[in-house]
This record gives sequence, C-alpha cells and structure tokens, in this order.
Amino acid sequence: QSVLTQPPSVSAAPGQKVTISCSGSSSNIGNNYVSWYQQLPGTAPKLLIYDNNKRPSGIPERFSGSKSGTSATLGITGLQTGDEADYYCGTWDSSLSAYVFGTGTKVTVL
Amino acid sequence: EVQLVESGGGLVQPGGSLRLSCAASGFTFSSYEMNWVRQAPGKGLEWVSYITSSANTIYYADSVKGRFTISRDNAKNSLYLQMNSLRAEDTAVYYCARDREPGTQDAFDIWGQGTMVTVSS
Repeated sequence: QSVLTQPPSVSAAPGQKVTISCSGSSSNIGNNYVSWYQQLPGTAPKLLIYDNNKRPSGIPERFSGSKSGTSATLGITGLQTGDEADYYCGTWDSSLSAYVFGTGTKVTVL
Repeated sequence: EVQLVESGGGLVQPGGSLRLSCAASGFTFSSYEMNWVRQAPGKGLEWVSYITSSANTIYYADSVKGRFTISRDNAKNSLYLQMNSLRAEDTAVYYCARDREPGTQDAFDIWGQGTMVTVSS
C-alpha cells in the first residue's frame, strides 16, 4: 500500500534507454526531494540519485533523475546487463511524517 | 571505510520480542540521523523508523507504532530497534540506513547488509 506508484517492470536491449516513473502527491513528491535506489539481487539498496537529480560520487552519468509536480523520473542510458535490478523511488511524506518508498520497478536487459 | 553492520536477527515466535543492533564505523555517528528500513521476502522496501542525531525526534511507520522502539547510543556508535509483540507480517530483512545529510531527511546514502527476522511458530 505504498503511496508512490511505479511501473512493475521495464525492459530494453543493451545500449538502449529506459525511464522509470514515480507518481505521488503534493504531500510527498510535490513538496520534498526525491531519491532513487538500485537494489541488485541479494544485496542492500544503493543510493543512485538524491535531491531529484543529483548523483552521489561514483554513480555514472548514465543515471539521471528529474521531477515535475507530483511525479519523478529515473532515466538510464546505455543500458548494461549489470543494470538489471530493482529500482525504488523514495521521499519524505509531510502528511504522514514518514519516509515513503515507491512500489519498485524491475529492470530487465533483453 | 564508512560502514553499518546489523545484528540480532533470528527466528522468534509470534508475540515475542527481538532487539536489533546496528554498529556504525568510519564516520561521526553522533552527527547523523538514522533509520530502519525493512523488506519482506519478495516484496519492496518499507521504511520503519527514524531518529535524529540527539534522539530528540523519532518517527515510526504506522505498521509498527506502539510495538517497536528505536534508540541510539552515540558513545557506542550504535543504533537499536526493540521489536515487541512481533507478528508474522514483521518477517523481513531489516536494514539500518544513514540519512545523507543531517537535517534533510531526503535520502539514505549508507546501508547495512541487513539482518533477517523471521516470525513463526
């Protein structure tokens, strides 16, 4: 029962681009920064994007983030087999006084 | 090396209790807000609880409010989660995670490897 909605899965061939949407509301995405996390199989999540569009040190430029209104988007260009993972958006929800994650999206490289 | 290491997970009966610990190293633990996040088998991430650096502000997810208690010992560089009245739906891998920047509540930049909690008779 997450308050942030993501598509269950996206896929593309190696080298192509995928985008993952994250839809929320004014109490979360609309008024707070969005972050994105990558979770490779069997590992802990890893921060990919913070403050809507900033990359931590060591994260390739192939990963990008954007936000518009109550939605956010993660883009991955030059898709690689190593990008196969689950991706989650996250943000603070001011009404709930809680951090909320998206439903998660599985990326498959065809 | 900046690191978080969880411990204390295991098998517990419904209604039982468990205390998780998270040992921090490689950074000034007392300066950072901390969180617990869990992930049920085959499911997505669920935020559980948050505590400020001085422990003067604490938040809980509705699903654990009244049953779980987050705490910290800055002298021991440690974060804790006391879990009481455990239910089958609390079965999950529990991660501790650091807030990226003090006072921002915007992202978790350091995660532990997780500790598994199984609630079953």
